[in-house]
Amino acid sequence: ETGVTQTPRHLVMGMTNKKSLKCEQHLGHNAMYWYKQSAKKPLELMFVYNFKEQTENNSVPSRFSPECPNSSHLFLHLHTLQPEDSALYLCASSQDGQGAYYGYTFGSGTRLTVV
Amino acid sequence: QKEVEQNSGPLSVPEGAIASLNCTYSDRGSQSFFWYRQYSGKSPELIMFIYSNGDKEDGRFTAQLNKASQYVSLLIRDSQPSDSATYLCAVTWGGSQGNLIFGKGTKLSVKP
Repeated sequence: ETGVTQTPRHLVMGMTNKKSLKCEQHLGHNAMYWYKQSAKKPLELMFVYNFKEQTENNSVPSRFSPECPNSSHLFLHLHTLQPEDSALYLCASSQDGQGAYYGYTFGSGTRLTVV
Repeated sequence: QKEVEQNSGPLSVPEGAIASLNCTYSDRGSQSFFWYRQYSGKSPELIMFIYSNGDKEDGRFTAQLNKASQYVSLLIRDSQPSDSATYLCAVTWGGSQGNLIFGKGTKLSVKP
């Protein structure tokens, strides 16, 4: 496996369900990010982790709960979501402090539909 | 207010023409500027980055930066139908170590 891998690719969940999105990077990076991409809106930065520590929470509702057990893995735990949370959720990684120079590498994303 | 503005398009150009994509940003402290390409249903892919005022060329792509005007652009020469995609402008926010903030993207359509 190379690059940034996200699973599942597609997810349909009810508003009362609990599910998790997984991201794994094989690039030796130590910063990881969650972005949300909705139709007709720019990518929205949700969470940032550097060396497993959360360094940014961009006012994300508590129904989204991130977890970063190590520099290679990132999870987004979902519960009691709303239909407006339906979107493409993208994971990205970069070298700490160097993402601003070399950009981020994105995974393929999870297309989430809340019904 | 963090703002990265792009014309959403669609921008339609004939095959072989030059496509010009523009982006403005509101943070004077932004240090690094990126262009990503996103095909429909796919994730963003980095195609260019630029840090200094002026032009940077890579194959058919040229990025142009004017920090005084807070403006960055991407030129695609000899446009091909395979260039049809949404192009996302991204800038660092909060100085040189900042996170990337994205514009909404410009949809480019290259007609054969």
